[in-house]
Amino acid sequence: AQSVAQPEDQVNVAEGNPLTVKCTYSVSGNPYLFWYVQYPNRGLQFLLKYITGDNLVKGSYGFEAEFNKSQTSFHLKKPSALVSDSALYFCAVKGRGNTPLVFGKGTRLSVIA
Amino acid sequence: DAGVIQSPRHEVTEMGQEVTLRCKPISGHNSLFWYRQTMMRGLELLIYFNNNVPIDDSGMPEDRFSAKMPNASFSTLKIQPSEPRDSAVYFCASSATGEGNEQFFGPGTRLTVL
Repeated sequence: AQSVAQPEDQVNVAEGNPLTVKCTYSVSGNPYLFWYVQYPNRGLQFLLKYITGDNLVKGSYGFEAEFNKSQTSFHLKKPSALVSDSALYFCAVKGRGNTPLVFGKGTRLSVIA
Repeated sequence: DAGVIQSPRHEVTEMGQEVTLRCKPISGHNSLFWYRQTMMRGLELLIYFNNNVPIDDSGMPEDRFSAKMPNASFSTLKIQPSEPRDSAVYFCASSATGEGNEQFFGPGTRLTVL
């Protein structure tokens, strides 16, 4: 069965500093990997995805993520954090074929001015 | 594009009452998903449809929950009878056909069962 782990419930970072939100996954075969962001009282918004090809994926709002097959990781990164980046971030994985998208429990990012 | 539309945005009801949540997916999307989000359990997939056909309803918690998709532009999630533990935010999402396509989420319905 496929699964996603987001080992940190909360990440705090100072504005202007780089940020990393961690994600590891377990799936049979090659994965599809996604990051979503949720602002208060809103639905999830798609940030970026890895399908195949280049391991470094760039997405919305300056975010990027690196697919590392050997470490089964897909960490979300941004070079310089903004206060407006404060939100709940979800990693998700899907296997090939008719399999559902599985979400992690989410990591709350707090960017402090 | 208006995105995924859900109604109502907020619902407060009393235990035992029937609750119906509604969703209009993005036009052209063939897959529709219903999720439930709570602090304790996080985001849970309840059921999903492909081309209006239910594919996997293993996440539906009990027989009190039912979902329908009578056409490509409308789906309902019904709880009858409702219980306080059903209180949560319910999200609908849709995606285009294709394994690697991302899901687009609606704003959610916040359900409170008293």
